[in-house]
Amino acid sequence: QSALTQPASVSGSPGQSITISCTGTSSDVGSYKLVSWYQQHPGKVPKLMIYEVTKRPSGVSNRFSGSKSGNTASLTISGLQAEDEADYYCCSYAGSVSWVFGGGTKVTVL
Amino acid sequence: QVHLVESGGGVVQPGRSLRLSCAASGFTFSSYGVHWVRQAPGKGLEWVALISYDGSNKFYADSVKGRFTISRDNSNNTLYLQMNSLRGEDTAMYYCAKDSGVEAVAGEFDNWGQGILVTVSS
Repeated sequence: QSALTQPASVSGSPGQSITISCTGTSSDVGSYKLVSWYQQHPGKVPKLMIYEVTKRPSGVSNRFSGSKSGNTASLTISGLQAEDEADYYCCSYAGSVSWVFGGGTKVTVL
Repeated sequence: QVHLVESGGGVVQPGRSLRLSCAASGFTFSSYGVHWVRQAPGKGLEWVALISYDGSNKFYADSVKGRFTISRDNSNNTLYLQMNSLRGEDTAMYYCAKDSGVEAVAGEFDNWGQGILVTVSS
């Protein structure tokens, strides 16, 4: 399976909203409502932020939201804060009991 | 509180073997599937393998199929990854990650270990 496509970097000022795209194919993102997003601060462990496209785990800020259209999923961070600066990875079920991640997006808070 | 602790990493020569362990606590280990996910230095995440809650089903990424074996010991709350015929491209931080589904695979990784580094080099 090929990795999902994410922009290498996205930046925004505090308080702004940013959106990270995650483009797959009809064999993964387009076929399943099983897209998740992970936040990883430098040297730290990934943290689940969104699952099943739009759902937030308990404890995750409602500033984080997910969506999907066709073969592209998106993560939106509203009211950007300094603590949101991290790498973000999307992940999709890819069929035949396998998963594929995106290449990651570095979010910079200006 | 869920706690996952990997061990067994290190430096190994190409073609050799290594076995990773992941000790679990803070949840009913025998009720959840568990994955291995790896991250090469400076690179993104890659799903490696999944084992079902009872160990009856195992699934692998194409990149490791036939070389890696995932297993678990529910009596000791431990997950394993036997890695054979190691290659340079297997160099990575290896994380064990709990699946969120109870006695079923949900497909999201809701708790992660701190990771263990495996370096394949001569």
